[in-house]
This record gives sequence, C-alpha cells and structure tokens, in this order.
Amino acid sequence: NAGVMQNPRHLVRRRGQEARLRCSPMKGHSHVYWYRQLPEEGLKFMVYLQKENIIDESGMPKERFSAEFPKEGPSILRIQQVVRGDSAAYFCASSQSTGNSGNTIYFGEGSWLTVV
Amino acid sequence: DAKTTQPNSMESNEEEPVHLPCNHSTISGTDYIHWYRQLPSQGPEYVIHGLTSNVNNRMASLAIAEDRKSSTLILHRATLRDAAVYYCILRDVQDTDKLIFGTGTRLQVFP
Repeated sequence: NAGVMQNPRHLVRRRGQEARLRCSPMKGHSHVYWYRQLPEEGLKFMVYLQKENIIDESGMPKERFSAEFPKEGPSILRIQQVVRGDSAAYFCASSQSTGNSGNTIYFGEGSWLTVV
Repeated sequence: DAKTTQPNSMESNEEEPVHLPCNHSTISGTDYIHWYRQLPSQGPEYVIHGLTSNVNNRMASLAIAEDRKSSTLILHRATLRDAAVYYCILRDVQDTDKLIFGTGTRLQVFP
C-alpha cells in the first residue's frame, strides 16, 4: 500500500530553466494538494486539484507556476523560468473524496528544488 | 479560515507524557480538528483528528474540550523520535477542504 510518491526527491536547476515535479497520489485517492515550504518557514498551500480540474489555486503565484492532474498519470507542478527564490521543498498530498467524514490528507516526502 | 493558537515550543524528557495544547476559539460546527507533525527534512505526517469526542490511536490521544474551543494532543510516552513540529489545524470539509498550516509547536525531547 504505497503512500504518496513524489519525484524527483532532489532537483537542481539553473536560473531560467524549467522544473517539473511529479506526484502520484495514494491508491484510490482522487484529490491532490501541493504545498511549498521555503527554508526555515512554514508550509504554504499552493493548489488543490481533482482529476482534470483545478478546485482552488488561491496559493499559486500568478506567473510561472502551473499545476495539472490529468485523467491518467501523476499530478505535475511546473515552474517555468525558475529563480533563486523558488528554491524550496515542495510537498504533495492526497485524499479520497471530500465530505463530512473528515477524511485524512496524506503527504509525500517532498521534492527539494535548488536553483543555482 | 478559523485560526489556531499553539505555543512556539515545548520540551519533554524521554518516556514522559507530553500534552500539546491548541486554542481554537473561533471554531465552527463543521470544523474538524486535525493534528500533523513534521520531522526534520520530511513531509508532514498525519497524527490524529476528531470532531467532538476524544480520540485515541496508536500514535496519540486527542482530548477535545466540551465547548470545542481548545484541544490537547497527548503523547503518552515521548521518545526521541517524537521530536518534531506539531501542527493543530482546523479543517472545514464544507469549504475547499485544504489544510492551512500555522507555525506549530516545536517539541524537543531530551534523553
């Protein structure tokens, strides 16, 4: 029973390059969340997706960042033209369908992006 | 989103019980109380959650005040591996259902 799988675990990009972070949710989970944690700071919500739909992107930077969760395959967080300030840990989480059950959100181990 | 207030840090000795408090005076009737912890260089780990009644699982216990305006996470016997940042989060499943993390409580455990 695999948990939330993220890859790559560590990624180094030069300024101006693109970064793609992948997240495979737990089996049976159709909801995905992305969070960012800057060095020595707390976790900040970025985006919440269901299959083929963005539900809440209130935490996403307006430029260079995008996320998708296609019908088949993992969720992708894409950062274009990376800058040094994008260096952070990016965590993906997943859950089953929402409702009044208080169902649990499970997190992956994170992808550490370093921009040089 | 309803807010929670936690002490910045707490200390404990190994094998002693730890009570981590959380205040949430503006909690609404549809807010679940969730606790997560984050060990260094790891993703947040689910600990426990509840709505109104006290809850127990293999990791911890959650004691919820009768008026639901506060709760306490109880680690019955702290180990060195319990040293982490503990987050108390209110989650309204009737809203967008996301978790909003505060600054949490950094728990230090001494041998």
